[in-house]
This record gives sequence, structure tokens and C-alpha cells, in this order.
Amino acid sequence: KNEVEQSPQNLTAQEGEFITINCSYSVGISALHWLQQHPGGGIVSLFMLSSGKKKHGRLIATINIQEKHSSLHITASHPRDSAVYICAVEGSGGGADGLTFGKGTHLIIQP
Amino acid sequence: EAGVTQFPSHSVIEKGQTVTLRCDPISGHDNLYWYRRVMGKEIKFLLHFVKESKQDESGMPNNRFLAERTGGTYSTLKVQPAELEDSGVYFCASSQDLAASTQYFGPGTRLTVL
Repeated sequence: KNEVEQSPQNLTAQEGEFITINCSYSVGISALHWLQQHPGGGIVSLFMLSSGKKKHGRLIATINIQEKHSSLHITASHPRDSAVYICAVEGSGGGADGLTFGKGTHLIIQP
Repeated sequence: EAGVTQFPSHSVIEKGQTVTLRCDPISGHDNLYWYRRVMGKEIKFLLHFVKESKQDESGMPNNRFLAERTGGTYSTLKVQPAELEDSGVYFCASSQDLAASTQYFGPGTRLTVL
């Protein structure tokens, strides 16, 4: 069973700061997801990665398969980025066992 | 294209009652997953359907939980009888195939058992 660890658990930053959220896992995976959940809202899939790096707007996700580590970066952070960010991994069996989720990082961006 | 929908969005019931949650996946998605997030804990896998068959139900907490997907379209998750520890947010997700495809999540159903 994969163990997924996210850090930090909680993060408060000022608007405009560069944000990094980390995710590490214990067993090889086929893909890693970064998810976002706004308070009271559903989960939105931000990225799905199997290698390298992806960028969407101010969000950048990277993954290092050898080190079993992924990072989510937010550039020029804004209060609307405040949310819970969740890392989830899919097993090498191709997703038949669903996802293993981290506990989430609670991000608050203050104006 | 319509996304994954779940009904109801919120449900408040008393201990011992029965509740049925519904998930409608994206049309054409054979894979349907149920997840649960208990407050303060990570989201956990409950089970996985491929069409109408249960591919993996290893995450179902006990026999008070029953999931069905008759006809391979929408799915229901019934909790009977509900207990206090069943409170949480129940998420459903669907995907097109197993080859590392994106899972699309529904908005979740928040269940509160009093």
C-alpha cells in the first residue's frame, strides 16, 4: 500500500508570495494527481503527472519518479488560491485500486 | 459535456436511519469510484465499479454500506443503519479507462449523522 505524505499541513502566506507544496510517496506509481478543494466545494483536478513538469497559468507541478516526490508551485499567489491542495497517487496497476490520497495542505493567502 | 453529479449535496439524518447517495458519472465512463473524507482525515477509497461489476470493494468499511450500479450507469451508496462515525463527505469519481486516465470528481455529498 502506498503511503502519501504531504508537507506542510498548513501554510499561511501573503499575497504575491511563491508557494511550494510537497508530496512524497513510498511505492512506484503510474500517475500522480494534484487536487484542489475550496471550502464547501468539490474537488477539482489540477494536474495529472506521470513524469516531468506541467504548467497551467500560475500553477506548476513537477514530479521526480526516482525520488518519489512531487511539488506543486503557485507563483504570484492570490487570496483566491486559498484552498486545500491534495496529492493523490495511482498504483502501477493502472488505477484499478483507485487513488491513495494525502491528507491535504491547507493554504491561506492573506491580502 | 456534463460532469460527475451527486445527489443530494447534503444529508442530515439520525443515527439508525438509512441514507442513499447517488452518483451519476460522465456519460461513457465505465469506471466509477466512491471515496469518503472524514473530517480531518485523508480521503479514502471505498470501491470501484467497472460498468456494473464491483472491481474492488476493499475500502468498504463494513456491511452497513451497500453500493450498486445497476445497468452500469449511475451508482448508489446506501448506508443502513447509519452510525455517527459515518459522517463525512462522500465523493464519486469516474474515468474513461484504467490506463492512468484522469478521474473526474463529483462535488461530493456531505453526510451528517446525529
